[in-house]
Amino acid sequence: DTGVSQDPRHKITKRGQNVTFRCDPISEHNRLYWYRQTLGQGPEFLTYFQNEAQLEKSRLLSDRFSAERPKGSFSTLEIQRTEQGDSAMYLCASSLATTGAETQYFGPGTRLLVL
Amino acid sequence: AQSVAQPEDQVNVAEGNPLTVKCTYSVSGNPYLFWYVQYPNRGLQFLLKYITGDNLVKGSYGFEAEFNKSQTSFHLKKPSALVSDSALYFCAVRLASGGSYIPTFGRGTSLIVHP
Repeated sequence: DTGVSQDPRHKITKRGQNVTFRCDPISEHNRLYWYRQTLGQGPEFLTYFQNEAQLEKSRLLSDRFSAERPKGSFSTLEIQRTEQGDSAMYLCASSLATTGAETQYFGPGTRLLVL
Repeated sequence: AQSVAQPEDQVNVAEGNPLTVKCTYSVSGNPYLFWYVQYPNRGLQFLLKYITGDNLVKGSYGFEAEFNKSQTSFHLKKPSALVSDSALYFCAVRLASGGSYIPTFGRGTSLIVHP
């Protein structure tokens, strides 16, 4: 059973650099979510896709953040001109849209450190 | 707006004793409620969810949670704690209908089970 995978698991970058993270959801899942988690906090929603369409974005998602899911399968999250405040764990989750309370399944996360 | 409160940052319990991790919520309608567990440097793992029906929900690893509508609570319980249960626990809520698919997570409760 293949779960949600994320790459890389860790990223260290210098302030001002661009970074890109990848998420591969569970294969039959049509919804994909990005969250950010900082120490001592729960996951904070960033954005989500249904198939290839980006349907919702949080106000947390500044113009420096962009996400894509070009073929409705994997997704990328890019952060341009990184700032120290971007240091966090970036979590991806996927789910299968149902009429009930769908369950989100999370990947292991990408831990970003901006120096 | 929807919100979750986990009033305890940390819960300590001796192995073999019952444990309770508290969660209260606020939504403008009927809720879907979730519990997730997070081990160090890992993503969140789904434990259980409440949709409708029986107020006592059973989940993975012997955990259960009780939905109490009048008290707007969804406390996580286990009859006999294991050292391996030590982890971060997150409660989440979303509206059952008419709202976003995006759950709101609490800040998390660190459970420490002492041998």
